[in-house]
Amino acid sequence: NAGVTQTPKFQVLKTGQSMTLQCAQDMNHEYMSWYRQDPGMGLRLIHYSVGAGITDQGEVPNGYNVSRSTTEDFPLRLLSAAPSQTSVYFCASRALRGQGNSDYGYTFGSGTRLTVV
Amino acid sequence: GQSLEQPSEVTAVEGAIVQINCTYQTSGFYGLSWYQQHDGGAPTFLSYNGLDGLEETGRFSSFLSRSDSYGYLLLQELQMKDSASYFCAVREHNQGGKLIFGQGTELSVKP
Repeated sequence: NAGVTQTPKFQVLKTGQSMTLQCAQDMNHEYMSWYRQDPGMGLRLIHYSVGAGITDQGEVPNGYNVSRSTTEDFPLRLLSAAPSQTSVYFCASRALRGQGNSDYGYTFGSGTRLTVV
Repeated sequence: GQSLEQPSEVTAVEGAIVQINCTYQTSGFYGLSWYQQHDGGAPTFLSYNGLDGLEETGRFSSFLSRSDSYGYLLLQELQMKDSASYFCAVREHNQGGKLIFGQGTELSVKP
């Protein structure tokens, strides 16, 4: 199992450019989410999805779009990049229903380090 | 909304026991989780408390008291490799149970 795969690992954008951060999981997890991590800010939820065709906003959704056309993929789109979006982006997934406590753990991708200049 | 408070830094020596506290204000949640992150890498799941009480997983234990809005992560027999950031997180009472994180505690283990 590859788990959660994020691409690219690093990206530099110019202000105003758009791009899509890719996230794919092979664990058949219904729940997928995107977080951004900034120094001293912890992980903040951008958008999440509980299944194909269903998405919702998290704590900091402005400037980002998502879609969920398949169970496996949950891309994050930056519409018009701004320096404030310089951050590390993590995708995470989880099965919606679990048997024991360990099933409630989220699996994270290795992150995309984005710099907007 | 949710609000979670953790100490920003904790220092301990190898072989010791350390407790990382997490207090929260929430309108309702399913459970409290703990994650470990090394050097900005992928956070990894450590433990989950759906019910009050202690959960033990090897050297790590986690505790939850809903009446006190409080939980902690206990690390025993500290090793140098335990130096990392530790995050508490709550799974909200809503569709799918979105996960909201605290700001993290940086643990430094000294020889």
